[in-house]
Amino acid sequence: DADVTQTPRNRITKTGKRIMLECSQTKGHDRMYWYRQDPGLGLRLIYYSFDVKDINKGEISDGYSVSRQAQAKFSLSLESAIPNQTALYFCATGGPGELFFGEGSRLTVL
Amino acid sequence: AQSVTQPDIHITVSEGASLELRCNYSYGATPYLFWYVQSPGQGLQLLLKYFSGDTLVQGIKGFEAEFKRSQSSFNLRKPSVHWSDAAEYFCAVGAQGGSEKLVFGKGTKLTVNP
Repeated sequence: DADVTQTPRNRITKTGKRIMLECSQTKGHDRMYWYRQDPGLGLRLIYYSFDVKDINKGEISDGYSVSRQAQAKFSLSLESAIPNQTALYFCATGGPGELFFGEGSRLTVL
Repeated sequence: AQSVTQPDIHITVSEGASLELRCNYSYGATPYLFWYVQSPGQGLQLLLKYFSGDTLVQGIKGFEAEFKRSQSSFNLRKPSVHWSDAAEYFCAVGAQGGSEKLVFGKGTKLTVNP
């Protein structure tokens, strides 16, 4: 089983719909992250959490919210999806030495 | 705030040729530097990292990188490229603490010709 599991792997939705991307990890790390990848733009940090009670905005948090349900679970929500949120989303966990990434959730907003 | 520049969007090399991918960073203190690789349809995998000490670091899959403070660079190298190295490569810089809030470059896509 993967250390970092993201669901769904692919989702097509319509403008205005609410979407939740889920992430769970078995690495035992406290820190979890959500990144967004767009072609030619690399990865940009949306939100990060250093423990269950600590959630912080990244550089592109507008239009997104998160929930840290447990040490191992970190969900990303789009309350009202818009087309420019079409992207590949990565969850990650890790400590000071390394981040471990999930395989990504590809979201298309029509 | 830290930033990373990868000047080359796309590089094509022949199998067996040497490879160098460039990375320049901006950060006011001692940086923590990383190279990740992303194969098609996959997440990111850590190739190597630099925190301190020897400026030439060895990674997995035969890759190495050299930290040059005077040039604010952390270039990735491989002496002989294999077809399986075709992927996208990302350089990243972290603030004190290592991987906290990594800032990634925009990536370099590597194509390997037979």
